[in-house]
Amino acid sequence: ETGVTQSPTHLIKTRGQQVTLRCSSQSGHNTVSWYQQALGQGPQFIFQYYREEENGRGNFPPRFSGLQFPNYSSELNVNALELDDSALYLCASSRDRGRTGELFFGEGSRLTVL
Amino acid sequence: SQKIEQNSEALNIQEGKTATLTCNYTNYSPAYLQWYRQDPGRGPVFLLLIRENEKEKRKERLKVTFDTTLKQSLFHITASQPADSATYLCALDSGGTGSYQLTFGKGTKLSVIP
Repeated sequence: ETGVTQSPTHLIKTRGQQVTLRCSSQSGHNTVSWYQQALGQGPQFIFQYYREEENGRGNFPPRFSGLQFPNYSSELNVNALELDDSALYLCASSRDRGRTGELFFGEGSRLTVL
Repeated sequence: SQKIEQNSEALNIQEGKTATLTCNYTNYSPAYLQWYRQDPGRGPVFLLLIRENEKEKRKERLKVTFDTTLKQSLFHITASQPADSATYLCALDSGGTGSYQLTFGKGTKLSVIP
């Protein structure tokens, strides 16, 4: 167990809707990274939050946004959902922007867009 | 553009043999390379990290090598067991400016046959 929890574990939305995914970091970690994993692919970096500020972003449009709270928990918001957004969304916590390398992943939120 | 390739999508091996998985990359100068294990429907779990100035790293039955000239890492599982069956992901740091993003390969699905 990594100590990183995500909710919900599964959800179904329709195209055009909005979704919020939540992540609780491992104790002592001040950095959260979000990854999208499509079926049969490796995880793809969405963005990272460090001490409540966005600290790096991958090749995702602005309708993907996030927040990190003072207790270092985090949210991923996706607006105007598209069919291609169907994927496993992974949250990973670490110390100090991931400088030490190792990421601690949660079990993910499986999003299906119909 | 940057590219990571894991040499095979699937690898079948007899129990007790050594499994060898390959990760090749192009157009990167990573500071470190990591290997993760992912079981179906679960988040990735960190296994090993090897830095650019290290040639080899071991942990119990696992061994990783890193050749920055060949731009290749080999991941070995000795005395493989059915419980080792999983997808193994190779990941490189993207050398971002202050955020340590990981870029993942697609993974190799290892099946250890009793």
